[in-house]
Amino acid sequence: GIQVEQSPPDLILQEGANSTLRCNFSDSVNNLQWFHQNPWGQLINLFYIPSGTKQNGRLSATTVATERYSLLYISSSQTTDSGVYFCAVTFNTGGFKTIFGAGTRLFVKA
Amino acid sequence: KAGVTQTPRYLIKTRGQQVTLSCSPISGHRSVSWYQQTPGQGLQFLFEYFSETQRNKGNFPGRFSGRQFSNSRSEMNVSTLELGDSALYLCASSLGQTNNEQFFGPGTRLTVL
Repeated sequence: GIQVEQSPPDLILQEGANSTLRCNFSDSVNNLQWFHQNPWGQLINLFYIPSGTKQNGRLSATTVATERYSLLYISSSQTTDSGVYFCAVTFNTGGFKTIFGAGTRLFVKA
Repeated sequence: KAGVTQTPRYLIKTRGQQVTLSCSPISGHRSVSWYQQTPGQGLQFLFEYFSETQRNKGNFPGRFSGRQFSNSRSEMNVSTLELGDSALYLCASSLGQTNNEQFFGPGTRLTVL
């Protein structure tokens, strides 16, 4: 089956720093999403990005589907950015099936 | 538009019991997917329903089952609970066709004693 790998697994930043999170996937997918999981377990949608580049405030994402990777950029990080970031890929096998990466745990220090 | 709702939010059961969890999708969404999240295995896909039909399922034993109703609400059931079933169970809804951007509910945290 499709493998999804995220790197780095853990990241500690000083407030104000920038970071890049990576998601590699092993086969063609129909779409890709980035999520932020808050301490209460809620998965918050960041980007729905099967290909191309999108930006939302301090966050942006790029997916290069032909090379099977996606990048999430966080600029000027804030303590509220702390949490776990997940990449999830979905493929269609007659119905949708979604595979999550293991996540990147981010801690932003004040 | 109201988001995805899940009930109950917390549940404590004992081994051998069964449990039913409920998920109400965003209005107009016809696809509901269920996931199990544990510290050891991460987020794992359980199954996906669309228009009352299970279209896809993950690698879970038959003790895990689900269904979807005509109003797109979905339930999942776990029978003969085991300690390892303790987890956060998340459901997500999407339009379910070419655009399946998923939106997640807050989850049900199940503890099996």
